[in-house]
Amino acid sequence: AQSVTQPDIHITVSEGASLELRCNYSYGATPYLFWYVQSPGQGLQLLLKYFSGDTLVQGIKGFEAEFKRSQSSFNLRKPSVHWSDAAEYFCAVVPLRGFSGGYNKLIFGAGTRLAVHP
Amino acid sequence: AAGVIQSPRHLIKEKRETATLKCYPIPRHDTVYWYQQGPGQDPQFLISFYEKMQSDKGSIPDRFSAQQFSDYHSELNMSSLELGDSALYFCASSLNYEQYFGPGTRLTVT
Repeated sequence: AQSVTQPDIHITVSEGASLELRCNYSYGATPYLFWYVQSPGQGLQLLLKYFSGDTLVQGIKGFEAEFKRSQSSFNLRKPSVHWSDAAEYFCAVVPLRGFSGGYNKLIFGAGTRLAVHP
Repeated sequence: AAGVIQSPRHLIKEKRETATLKCYPIPRHDTVYWYQQGPGQDPQFLISFYEKMQSDKGSIPDRFSAQQFSDYHSELNMSSLELGDSALYFCASSLNYEQYFGPGTRLTVT
C-alpha cells in the first residue's frame, strides 16, 4: 500500500546534539518530498523540499535532508539542535508528479515529536 | 511576506450546529487545499480548489461543503456538527507544488 512512514513517534535529544529524523515512503514512482514542522497549536511550516536533482537539500533553520532512492528514504538532519527546535515534524509527499491544478494533495506521515533537553 | 489567513482562529459549537471556516490565500496563489488534523493525528486532506473550481476531494464528509470565490478566498461549511469534528482545520495555498499553511482554525464541538 502507498504510505509515508515515520518510524519514530518520539525522539529526545540534548541541546547541541545532532539529530536525524527518519522518513520512508512507499510509492511506485518517486513522489515530491517535503518536511514540515509544527509547534503546539500552530500551523505547519515548510522546512525543505525535494523535487529532483541534488539529493542533499538545504532548508531553513539549519536543517537538511537527504533523498536516497535505493532506500525510499528522505531523512531530516540537523548538526546541532537548539531548544527552540522542539516541535512535531512531519514528512509529507505529493504522490502525483507532474500534475497541477489542485491535484497535489499532501500525504503526511504520522509525525515525530522532538523534545530537547537543556 | 503575506501569509495565508484563516478565520476564526477558534470556534466552539454545539452538536448539530453549523460552522463556516474562512481562508484567504497568499495573493496570486491559484490553488487552495483544506486539511483536518485531529488531536495527535497527522493532517488529512479534505478538498482542493484550483482557479475557483473544485479539483480534488479526499475524505470529506457529505455534511461538509466548500467553495472558492471570485477573490480566491475559500470557505468550508460544516453542518450537523458531531463531536468527532473537533479538530484543527488548515487551509494551504499554492502556486506550484509548495503548499503554505495558515495558522488553522481550532473547532471544538460540545
